[in-house]
Amino acid sequence: SQTIHQWPATLVQPVGSPLSLECTVEGTSNPNLYWYRQAAGRGLQLLFYSVGIGQISSEVPQNLSASRPQDRQFILSSKKLLLSDSGFYLCAWSVSTREKLFFGSGTQLSVL
Amino acid sequence: GESVGLHLPTLSVQEGDNSIINCAYSNSASDYFIWYKQESGKGPQFIIDIRSNMDKRQGQRVTVLLNKTVKHLSLQIAATQPGDSAVYFCAENFGGGSNYKLTFGKGTLLTVNP
Repeated sequence: SQTIHQWPATLVQPVGSPLSLECTVEGTSNPNLYWYRQAAGRGLQLLFYSVGIGQISSEVPQNLSASRPQDRQFILSSKKLLLSDSGFYLCAWSVSTREKLFFGSGTQLSVL
Repeated sequence: GESVGLHLPTLSVQEGDNSIINCAYSNSASDYFIWYKQESGKGPQFIIDIRSNMDKRQGQRVTVLLNKTVKHLSLQIAATQPGDSAVYFCAENFGGGSNYKLTFGKGTLLTVNP
């Protein structure tokens, strides 16, 4: 069966520090991969998605970036975090863009 | 602008009652819809989905109804249990080619009272 791993579960970072969140999927090949952000009490905002290795589409201009160095690995990064980057970050995968998403357990990021 | 601490729509029901959570979607071209359940501090969990060629689909204790005429989606939960307490999101899928993407609604907080 397919599983998705996301870490760390919680992270507290100072403003201006770098960020690296990692997500891996097991049990499937060539998944579509996604990064979402969720502000407290709000809906999910799509940040990036990838349909293949090295292919990244950005939905929201910001100081975050994403990379897909391997088929089942998706990384969210920032060189310098802002206060507004705080939130709940979710990685997800799907078989295709027209199928349901399966989400990871999320990372609660607090930028202080 | 939005106020800090925007409140989700809420629904409070008694244990054992049926719950109906509603969602208005935005795009008449959307052809695939999904309901997710999200418990506090966890990632959203898939509940049920429906494609636009159907108007009703049933799962275990859940039913999704789709009304394309008024762009309305609902999730019915039978015999609601305390474990059903969570935020429920609807999502719609539209686009073209490789650009299909899911867009999520703002969510509804369901509270089940014992």
